[in-house]
Amino acid sequence: QKEVEQNSGPLSVPEGAIASLNCTYSDRGSQSFFWYRQYSGKSPELIMSIYSNGDKEDGRFTAQLNKASQYVSLLIRDSQPSDSATYLCAVNNRNTGNQFYFGTGTSLTVIP
Amino acid sequence: GAGVSQSPSNKVTEKGKDVELRCDPISGHTALYWYRQSLGQGLEFLIYFQGNSAPDKSGLPSDRFSAERTGGSVSTLTIQRTQQEDSAVYLCASSRTSGTYNEQFFGPGTRLTVL
Repeated sequence: QKEVEQNSGPLSVPEGAIASLNCTYSDRGSQSFFWYRQYSGKSPELIMSIYSNGDKEDGRFTAQLNKASQYVSLLIRDSQPSDSATYLCAVNNRNTGNQFYFGTGTSLTVIP
Repeated sequence: GAGVSQSPSNKVTEKGKDVELRCDPISGHTALYWYRQSLGQGLEFLIYFQGNSAPDKSGLPSDRFSAERTGGSVSTLTIQRTQQEDSAVYLCASSRTSGTYNEQFFGPGTRLTVL
């Protein structure tokens, strides 16, 4: 079983719609959860971090964490063509070392 | 402030040669990570340094790969006797290990091409 699983996509949404990206993880003791955006040919860029259950909003981005279900999601409101990228979910448990476990990423295309 | 820096940005080498890739983490970050990403693939963990502890080398694919971190700061990833399958982007990242927030930030990567 993989530590972190994401739907590889591709996910296509029209411009202005809400894009919903999902991630599940296997380590119930995980404490830190991250979303990275990676444009083609570039390195991953941190866009959201979340540490407690519930929602965290930053501009058009909302991260949602449900530790009981071992599920973290990223919502992108008013999607723009510039949001087209691969989104990586990462999970960390400092009690078992400080490794970050990454999903394989979901490719998002926002259609103008 | 300055982010994670890596050099060189691109490296082309011949099969069988040794290469050294350098990473300079964010100041104050005690954890440093190396990953590899082949074209169209996900991140592959290679090695992790935390402070003065022994590094976690569990991701190194073969004994041709080694890394060191001097003075708790700059790190060098060395690949000996390079093979064509070593061609990939090598990414370095760093993070804090104290406090609540331990976001990991990536450098721009080194694109390695082995001919």
